[in-house]
Parts: sequence; C-alpha cells; structure tokens
Amino acid sequence: AQSVTQLDSQVPVFEEAPVELRCNYSSSVSVYLFWYVQYPNQGLQLLLKYLSGSTLVKGINGFEAEFNKSQTSFHLRKPSVHISDTAEYFCAVFLFGNEKLTFGTGTRLTIIP
Amino acid sequence: EAGVTQSPTHLIKTRGQQATLRCSPISGHTSVYWYQQALGLGLQFLLWYDEGEERNRGNFPPRFSGRQFPNYSSELNVNALELEDSALYLCASSSFYEQYFGPGTRLTVT
Repeated sequence: AQSVTQLDSQVPVFEEAPVELRCNYSSSVSVYLFWYVQYPNQGLQLLLKYLSGSTLVKGINGFEAEFNKSQTSFHLRKPSVHISDTAEYFCAVFLFGNEKLTFGTGTRLTIIP
Repeated sequence: EAGVTQSPTHLIKTRGQQATLRCSPISGHTSVYWYQQALGLGLQFLLWYDEGEERNRGNFPPRFSGRQFPNYSSELNVNALELEDSALYLCASSSFYEQYFGPGTRLTVT
C-alpha cells in the first residue's frame, strides 16, 4: 500500500524568507509525485510534478521540489515567499495501475508580514 | 479552454435526504475523479470514472455512487445523508496522470 506523509500541518514563515514543506511517501513500486496548492475557498491547483528524469523539478509561482528516491521524499521549496503564497499545500502520489492520487494531509503555509 | 466546472457551489440538505453533485470535465478529458475533503480528514478518494465506466472506488459506503455520461460529465449521488457527509466535494478530470480540479461543491448536512 502507498501512503503520503506531510510532516508539518502548519508552517509559519516570515515574508521573503525561504520555506521547505516536507513530504515523504511509501510505495513498493515506482510512483509519480505531485504538489498541489489550495487557496481559501478554491479547488486544487497543480504546482509541479515529477514523472521521471531530472530529480529537481520547477513549478509555478517560483516553487521547486526535489525527488529523493533513497529517502522517499519530495520536499517543496521556495527561496523567498510572498503574502500571496498563503494557502494549503498537498503532496500527492500517483500509483500507475491503481490510477488514483493519494494525498497527504496537507500543510497550511502562513506568511507573516 | 474552460476548466473543470462543478455545480452547485453550495448545497444544504437535511439528514436522510439525497444529494446530487455534478461535474463537467475539461474538453477532451475522459476521466473524472471525485474526492471528499472533510474538515480534519484531508482529501479522500471517492470514485474514478473513465469512458463511462466506474474504474475504481475508495473506501466509502455504497450510498455514495455516481455515473458518467456519454459527454464525460459526471454525477455524484449521496443517499441517506449523514451529518459526517458534510464536506467539500472536489471533482477532477485527468489527462496523462495530471488531474485538474474544479472549485468544489460544499455540502452541508443539518
């Protein structure tokens, strides 16, 4: 069975500071990895994805994530956050053959002015 | 290109009633997924439809059901509503493993 763990339920960060949101997964087979963002009262928007190839993937709004197979991690990073980054961030794993996304419990990012 | 649309935006029902939620996928997408986002429980996979067939189902009771129409739009039905069914229900359409989400339907059961 696959699972996704987001280690931090809430992360407060000062504006213009860097941030890392952690995600670990467990799976016995290869997976595809995604980060989604959910702004208040909205649906989910895809930030970035890892399917194969380079382990460092860049997404929208200046976010990037690094796939680490040995540590089964896919942490999300941004070098300098903005007030508009305040949202809930979800890590998700897609298992080929099962054809569904398994989501982590989410990390609420709060930007402190 | 229009995104995934869902209706209604909000739905208020009383316990025991039935709710019907609708989803229109992005043009060209044949797969539709349904998720429940309940407070404190995160996003839970409900159902997956592709080409008109139910392909996979999450760990939900049979009173959660749905269908997909020939135009690939989808309907989620929840029978015998319970208070704990109150949640945001998200629909997503899919192309090559990427899922594109709609804005959701907030269902409140009183």
